[in-house]
This record gives sequence, structure tokens and C-alpha cells, in this order.
Amino acid sequence: AQSVAQPEDQVNVAEGNPLTVKCTYSVSGNPYLFWYVQYPNRGLQFLLKYITGDNLVKGSYGFEAEFNKSQTSFHLKKPSALVSDSALYFCAVRAVSGSARQLTFGSGTQLTVLP
Amino acid sequence: DGGITQSPKYLFRKEGQNVTLSCEQNLNHDAMYWYRQDPGQGLRLIYYSQIVNDFQKGDIAEGYSVSREKKESFPLTVTSAQKNPTAFYLCASSTRDRTPLRRTDTQYFGPGTRLTVL
Repeated sequence: AQSVAQPEDQVNVAEGNPLTVKCTYSVSGNPYLFWYVQYPNRGLQFLLKYITGDNLVKGSYGFEAEFNKSQTSFHLKKPSALVSDSALYFCAVRAVSGSARQLTFGSGTQLTVLP
Repeated sequence: DGGITQSPKYLFRKEGQNVTLSCEQNLNHDAMYWYRQDPGQGLRLIYYSQIVNDFQKGDIAEGYSVSREKKESFPLTVTSAQKNPTAFYLCASSTRDRTPLRRTDTQYFGPGTRLTVL
């Protein structure tokens, strides 16, 4: 079985400061890892994904994520937060092997960027 | 959200009624999915379909039904057997990414339907 943990329900950061949203995962074999963002009463928007290769993945809106296989983590980062980054963030995982295409999502982290 | 539409945006249901949520995509994606979102629980998979005329149960299929008669459409029916249907419902679709040796199947989501039982 695969699983995702987002240990922080809420993250607050001041505008202009760096932000980190944490994610750890468990999966059999190698993972595909994803980050999505959700604004109130909207669907999820794809931010970035890790497939293979470079451990630092760059995505939309200046976000990046670092894959760490030994720590089974895929933390989302941004060097300088904006108030408009305030939203709900989801990490998701699926196994590379196997025929199923299901993603498993974390419970989400509410990011609030304070002006 | 582009390319995936869900309707209606808001839906109210009386207890004992079945309701159907619409999901349409014009992305030519093979696979489609239905998720349920409750506060603090993330997304849970209800049903998914990898090809037309075929679908599989997800983690919480009880009280729900689906059909996949056309590639672009994947309607979800919430039946009266679903004990706690009030939630935000999200539809997604995916196709195999054209990455050599890797098929990540990135999922793209619709805007969602908020169902409330009165």
C-alpha cells in the first residue's frame, strides 16, 4: 500500500520569506511524486512532479520541490512567498511499477502568507 | 481547470434522492477519476475508468455508481445508499505522459461540485 503524510495542517509565513511545505511518502519501489494547489471552492491545480533524475524539480509560479530518497521526502519550497500563494497544498504519490494509475493524496497543508 | 468541466457547481439533494454529477473533458484523455474531498481528509478515490466501457471501484465506492459510455464523459451518481454524501466532489482525467520510459499519468482536475444534503 502507498501513503503520504503531510505533517503540518497549517503553515504560516511572512511575505518575502522562504516557505517549505513538508511531505513524506511510502510506496513499494520507486515513486512518482506530485504537488497540487487548491484555492477555495476550486479544483486542484498541478504544480510539479518528480519522475526521475535531478532531485530538484522546478514547477509553476516559482515553486520547486526536492526529492530525497533516503528520507522518503518531497518537500515543496519557494524562495520568496507571496500573499497570493495562500492556499491548500496537496502532495500525492503513486508507484512507478504496476498497472494501476491511482494517486494517493496527503491530507493537505493550509499555507497562509502574511503581508 | 481548463479542459475539464463539472456541473452543476452547487447541488442540493433531499435525503432519499439519487443525484448525478456531470464530468466532461475535451483533452482526449483515456483515464478519468472521481474523488471526494472532506475537510481535513484530503482526497479519496471513489471510482476510476481507464478506458471506455470499463471502470473500477476506488477506496470508497459504496453508495456511488458511474458509467463510461463515451471517452469524454464520466458521470457520477450519488445514490440514496450513500449515508453521508455532503462533500466536495472532484473529477480528474489523465493520459500517459510522453516521457521516454516513464509514464507518469499526471491528473488534471475539474472545478468541482459541492453537494449538500438537506
